[in-house]
Amino acid sequence: DAGVIQSPRHEVTEMGQEVTLRCKPISGHNSLFWYRQTMMRGLELLIYFNNNVPIDDSGMPEDRFSAKMPNASFSTLKIQPSEPRDSAVYFCASSPGTRAYEQYFGPGTRLTVT
Amino acid sequence: AQSVTQPDIHITVSEGASLELRCNYSYGATPYLFWYVQSPGQGLQLLLKYFSGDTLVQGIKGFEAEFKRSQSSFNLRKPSVHWSDAAEYFCAARDAGNMLTFGGGTRLMVKP
Repeated sequence: DAGVIQSPRHEVTEMGQEVTLRCKPISGHNSLFWYRQTMMRGLELLIYFNNNVPIDDSGMPEDRFSAKMPNASFSTLKIQPSEPRDSAVYFCASSPGTRAYEQYFGPGTRLTVT
Repeated sequence: AQSVTQPDIHITVSEGASLELRCNYSYGATPYLFWYVQSPGQGLQLLLKYFSGDTLVQGIKGFEAEFKRSQSSFNLRKPSVHWSDAAEYFCAARDAGNMLTFGGGTRLMVKP
């Protein structure tokens, strides 16, 4: 079975550019999560969708960050404009049914903003 | 507020030696507990989970964990460590919002 798929795996961009990260959750899972991982702050939950609807976006750092889930099989995390402090690994995870705590993670996107 | 604590930031063990990674949680109700492993450059992989029942749970890759309510602990163990086990390990618990709260992680290094 395919796990959570993320693209790209690596992204290098210049400050001020728009960055779009993509995620395909496990088929049948109806909860989706975006996390950011840095050495300084560890793993941080950015936003959580249930049935394609954003439930909790309190972790989104600022208005430069936005996330969408247009359908059950696709989500995007966009940063516009990007800044060097956004450099991190961004993970997408999905979970089945009401078990939002049973999360399966994608391989991550390593973002470097120069 | 619920929290998950992994007291050891780094641990180094020799290949073939036994391993125990510590995890403590604070949560009033019966917790759902998880261990994840993150190999370098990879995402988090679920090793094992505890919801209820037998307090000793078996996971993948030869790992096991024991839930001890009296100690609020859920320590991860492996009898004989392999070099490929070098990774970062995260303990997590279901929180009051039905979400996951992660510990800070323990980085395991394996000496040949």
